[in-house]
Amino acid sequence: KAGVTQTPRYLIKTRGQQVTLSCSPISGHRSVSWYQQTPGQGLQFLFEYFSETQRNKGNFPGRFSGRQFSNSRSEMNVSTLELGDSALYLCASSFKPGAYNEQFFGPGTRLTVL
Amino acid sequence: TQLLEQSPQFLSIQEGENLTVYCNSSSVFSSLQWYRQEPGEGPVLLVTVVTGGEVKKLKRLTFQFGDARKDSSLHITAAQPGDTGLYLCAGNDYKLSFGAGTTVTVRA
Repeated sequence: KAGVTQTPRYLIKTRGQQVTLSCSPISGHRSVSWYQQTPGQGLQFLFEYFSETQRNKGNFPGRFSGRQFSNSRSEMNVSTLELGDSALYLCASSFKPGAYNEQFFGPGTRLTVL
Repeated sequence: TQLLEQSPQFLSIQEGENLTVYCNSSSVFSSLQWYRQEPGEGPVLLVTVVTGGEVKKLKRLTFQFGDARKDSSLHITAAQPGDTGLYLCAGNDYKLSFGAGTTVTVRA
């Protein structure tokens, strides 16, 4: 079974631009979560989607948004990029939401903001 | 503030030695997961522990979950260079709350 895929793998943007990242979950998985990983803050939860609905959101500004499509694929968008948004953005999928459902991560998208 | 504290932050050992990584939480989580991450890649799930007092073995890796479900440990026996990586523990309620990680380097 194919794992979680994320595109693109690398992205370079300048301050003020916006960016869209894509995630395709493991086949059959319907829950997608997004995380930001930086050297200073580690891995932090952004949001979770299930059945095209955002179920939970982490403590990030409104510039960070996402959506999920009917085939469970998800996108996240960051508008008005800031230097501090440079990070590895990770997508994780699980069969369904909940504490007992294991999350499997994709390889991530490395975003660099100049 | 990290809900989960991992120690040590860095660990460098010789091939064949044993190592233990600790994960302590200020909260009780429904389950706890351990991941290993290599540079530039996403974390890879190693194990999920759910029950207090649970011990799981995965070849040379042994995972323990404390009775109170607030602490956990990962023990690697006879470490190999392939065990090198960032080890992360994560508490799972509806989202994963990660510790800062332990960077393990196994020298050949």
